[in-house]
Amino acid sequence: RKEVEQDPGPFNVPEGATVAFNCTYSNSASQSFFWYRQDCRKEPKLLMSVYSSGNEDGRFTAQLNRASQYISLLIRDSKLSDSATYLCVVNLNDMRFGAGTRLTVKP
Amino acid sequence: DVKVTQSSRYLVKRTGEKVFLECVQDMDHENMFWYRQDPGLGLRLIYFSYDVKMKEKGDIPEGYSVSREKKERFSLILESASTNQTSMYLCASSLDRPYQAHHEQFFGPGTRLTVL
Repeated sequence: RKEVEQDPGPFNVPEGATVAFNCTYSNSASQSFFWYRQDCRKEPKLLMSVYSSGNEDGRFTAQLNRASQYISLLIRDSKLSDSATYLCVVNLNDMRFGAGTRLTVKP
Repeated sequence: DVKVTQSSRYLVKRTGEKVFLECVQDMDHENMFWYRQDPGLGLRLIYFSYDVKMKEKGDIPEGYSVSREKKERFSLILESASTNQTSMYLCASSLDRPYQAHHEQFFGPGTRLTVL
């Protein structure tokens, strides 16, 4: 079983749609959680951290469910510029990356 | 603004060649990392370093070595390149150690290596 699992997608959504990604992790001792964004042929960049109480940054909402060992990312009012691969990252003593979920937002 | 640079964006080498991938960061970060990224597998940690002349094996160190002679530079070496080392190689640096809550890694643009 992979340490961090994500649905690879692709998710194809129209502009303005709401889309949600889930990610599950296997190590219950994991301490911190992140979403990174990777544009096509570019490097990953931190999108947001995920806090136990859930957190929001503009159109993006991240949530953590420790009991079920999953984290989620919700994107509201999708923009064309949100098209990218979203990497779930789980941190214990080192960073464990999911393989990513690919999102395409279409006009 | 943190900048991590890698020596080449694209590299083509032959089986058995020795390959050097260079990474330089300009933010005085102590921590540096080398990953490879393959479709469906995500980023996998090859080696990391928390200080000059210090190195630690990651999850997949076989066939690789590293060098950290200066704080800003972390080199990945493929001693004898093989076709299964064809991949995207990403270097990263960070201010904090991974176990710290607000740890963030800053990545270079990547080197796409093809071994023929």
